[in-house]
Amino acid sequence: GDSVTQMEGPVTLSEEAFLTINCTYTATGYPSLFWYVQYPGEGLQLLLKATKADDKGSNKGFEATYRKETTSFHLEKGSVQVSDSAVYFCALSARAGTASKLTFGTGTRLQVTL
Amino acid sequence: DSGVTQTPKHLITATGQRVTLRCSPRSGDLSVYWYQQSLDQGLQFLIQYYNGEERAKGNILERFSAQQFPDLHSELNLSSLELGDSALYFCASSVDLRASEAFFGQGTRLTVV
Repeated sequence: GDSVTQMEGPVTLSEEAFLTINCTYTATGYPSLFWYVQYPGEGLQLLLKATKADDKGSNKGFEATYRKETTSFHLEKGSVQVSDSAVYFCALSARAGTASKLTFGTGTRLQVTL
Repeated sequence: DSGVTQTPKHLITATGQRVTLRCSPRSGDLSVYWYQQSLDQGLQFLIQYYNGEERAKGNILERFSAQQFPDLHSELNLSSLELGDSALYFCASSVDLRASEAFFGQGTRLTVV
């Protein structure tokens, strides 16, 4: 079945450091790929997405490129801020009957310090 | 605020009991999704309803059931609770069948003791 693997956390970085969170996937067909962010005490929010190979999703300084050849969708940010501290989930969307469903990775906790 | 309302925010109950979690979707959204987030299983899709009908099923236990009412709110019923059912239960809603377009509520934290 479909699955998403992302790097273990927690990841601790100093403010203004470069961030990479690795994500790889296994799926049949051509899924859409997503990064969600979960701030403390809140639900998940869509951060960015890519719907086909070589697409780059970007939002709030975060970027990820859909790499079909390596089945990857790594999240990057050039300069993190304390406010980026959260849990980040990689996910893919695939058909489930007449609808679609999201399959999530286990989440990576990011902590940014001053 | 995503517009998706879940009640209660916290619930503590004993093993063997039954609880009902409630979700009010965003205004105009027809799809409701339920997810379970636990430490050992991560975030797992349970079930989806669209305009009152079940449309997709994930890793939902037989002890769990859900429904969506005519006013489009949804309830997730968990029965014969076990310690391992302790988790954060999220509801999400979307205007159509695309799970990727869904907005998430803040979740209900269930603790089974």
